[in-house]
Amino acid sequence: EAGVTQFPSHSVIEKGQTVTLRCDPISGHDNLYWYRRVMGKEIKFLLHFVKESKQDESGMPNNRFLAERTGGTYSTLKVQPAELEDSGVYFCASSARLAGSYNEQFFGPGTRLTVL
Amino acid sequence: EDQVTQSPEALRLQEGESSSLNCSYTVSGLRGLFWYRQDPGKGPEFLFTLYSAGEEKEKERLKATLTKKESFLHITAPKPEDSATYLCAVCHGGATNKLIFGTGTLLAVQP
Repeated sequence: EAGVTQFPSHSVIEKGQTVTLRCDPISGHDNLYWYRRVMGKEIKFLLHFVKESKQDESGMPNNRFLAERTGGTYSTLKVQPAELEDSGVYFCASSARLAGSYNEQFFGPGTRLTVL
Repeated sequence: EDQVTQSPEALRLQEGESSSLNCSYTVSGLRGLFWYRQDPGKGPEFLFTLYSAGEEKEKERLKATLTKKESFLHITAPKPEDSATYLCAVCHGGATNKLIFGTGTLLAVQP
């Protein structure tokens, strides 16, 4: 069974440009999460989808970040316009359930974003 | 405020030298404590979930335990391939399932 996949693996953009990151969760997982790790810090939660609905977006830094999950399958995270402090590694994770057994979150390899 | 603290930040062991990593947490309504392994350039790889104090889980040379305030990841007779960053995360009660991570312990096992 394929794991969580993310595209691209790396992205280098200029300040002010737009970047779109994509995540394909494990097939059948309704829950999809975005996390971010900036240099020297811990991984931090950004957003949680249940199917196509945003369950929790309390971790989104500001309105330059837009996440979508049309059709409840893959998700995109757009940063527009990008700023220097947006640099970091963006992880996507998915899980089958919200609580109890099988709520483990499985992570993708991440997208390393560098804003120059 | 929910918080996770891991110690030590880094640990260097000789092959076969057993040790433990610590994860202290404060969270309202623990829904689970998770251990992940992360290799350079890769995403976190799931290891264990612990749900209640007293619970223990094992996988090969790793054993995770949980109390009401902390979790330990015991590594018995480690091998060089166990070298990685080990991350601890908690999930608290509520409508979401978001994980709160510690900064990790970087483990290096020398042959």
